[in-house]
Amino acid sequence: ILNVEQSPQSLHVQEGDSTNFTCSFPSSNFYALHWYRWETAKSPEALFVMTLNGDEKKKGRISATLNTKEGYSYLYIKGSQPEDSATYLCAFMVGGSEKLVFGKGTKLTVNP
Amino acid sequence: KAGVTQTPRYLIKTRGQQVTLSCSPISGHRSVSWYQQTPGQGLQFLFEYFSETQRNKGNFPGRFSGRQFSNSRSEMNVSTLELGDSALYLCASSSGGRLSYTFGSGTRLTVV
Repeated sequence: ILNVEQSPQSLHVQEGDSTNFTCSFPSSNFYALHWYRWETAKSPEALFVMTLNGDEKKKGRISATLNTKEGYSYLYIKGSQPEDSATYLCAFMVGGSEKLVFGKGTKLTVNP
Repeated sequence: KAGVTQTPRYLIKTRGQQVTLSCSPISGHRSVSWYQQTPGQGLQFLFEYFSETQRNKGNFPGRFSGRQFSNSRSEMNVSTLELGDSALYLCASSSGGRLSYTFGSGTRLTVV
């Protein structure tokens, strides 16, 4: 059974703080790691897809790193803003499958 | 371009009934995947269709079925509804590559 763990489960930060979350996944048969941002009552929005060990991706104040050998990815948010408040999901994809295996997410609340 | 459209947004059904949910993918996308989210759980993969063929299936009972039409629209059916089927059902479309999925806003099903 494939298991994807995300930590922390929830996080409250102040506006301007930088923060990071962790996604742990199986290190074997890796194909891709997806990060999504999901605001309440909206659809999950794709942030990054990473496929290579050592990948680093950046989009504005958000960045992510990938370590496939040890099975983890970090998502960083620099200078958090209230509009960053959302649940951040990671999803692991194995080779040969169309299936995304999701973690339960990290719920971020940024207080003004 | 139009996003992924799921209908209806909300649905209330009685235990024992059946329900059909619809997903219209982004124009040109031939792959549609379905996911279930119950309280406290991550998104769980139900099945994936590509060009009217089911390519992948998750670990759900046979009461959960789906199909895809020639225009790539997909329907998901749940027969003999149980209280535990109350969940948010999301679909995602893809052009067929495995690195880009666009999600709909979901259908929230409540079984009473």
